[in-house]
Amino acid sequence: KQEVTQIPAALSVPEGENLVLNCSFTDSAIYNLQWFRQDPGKGLTSLLLIQSSQREQTSGRLNASLDKSSGRSTLYIAASQPGDSATYLCAVGGWMDSSYKLIFGSGTRLLVRP
Amino acid sequence: SQTIHQWPATLVQPVGSPLSLECTVEGTSNPNLYWYRQAAGRGLQLLFYSVGIGQISSEVPQNLSASRPQDRQFILSSKKLLLSDSGFYLCAWRNSGGADTQYFGPGTRLTVL
Repeated sequence: KQEVTQIPAALSVPEGENLVLNCSFTDSAIYNLQWFRQDPGKGLTSLLLIQSSQREQTSGRLNASLDKSSGRSTLYIAASQPGDSATYLCAVGGWMDSSYKLIFGSGTRLLVRP
Repeated sequence: SQTIHQWPATLVQPVGSPLSLECTVEGTSNPNLYWYRQAAGRGLQLLFYSVGIGQISSEVPQNLSASRPQDRQFILSSKKLLLSDSGFYLCAWRNSGGADTQYFGPGTRLTVL
């Protein structure tokens, strides 16, 4: 059974700092991995999706890497801003029972202090 | 462009009362649809998914049920709510034959008292 873990659970950094969020998964037979952002009381916004054949994806100040063999992914945020404050969720995608499903981690709650 | 709607946005219900949450998607056909629940401080738990009208798969045994009466409509229901049903309910859709990104609705905050 796939399990997804995110460390740390919470992180507080000063504005401008570069930071790394970690995600690990127990079963390396994944189809893809997705990072989401969730603002308090809101739905999820997809940030980056990495297919299993890829090593990384970049979007603006965000860079996500994937190492399937070790069961790890990282989300790198460069030059953090207060507007980056949110919960970041990692989700592993795979085909189970002939359907595509996401298994989520519990998230990392990020606070960027001005 | 595609849009996903959920209502109501918030709901406070007494234990033992019925529940109906609705999710609709616009701008796409034959989407895969998903219901998730997010308990306080926890990740998302997949409750139900559907690959077509009338086709519902349940992930975990629970007090809830789901239905898909139309292609772009997904309903989450309960006959009698429990305290443990409280949480943030999110609906999501995904193209059945295209990119794998799931797109999420704004969510419904359910409090059972």
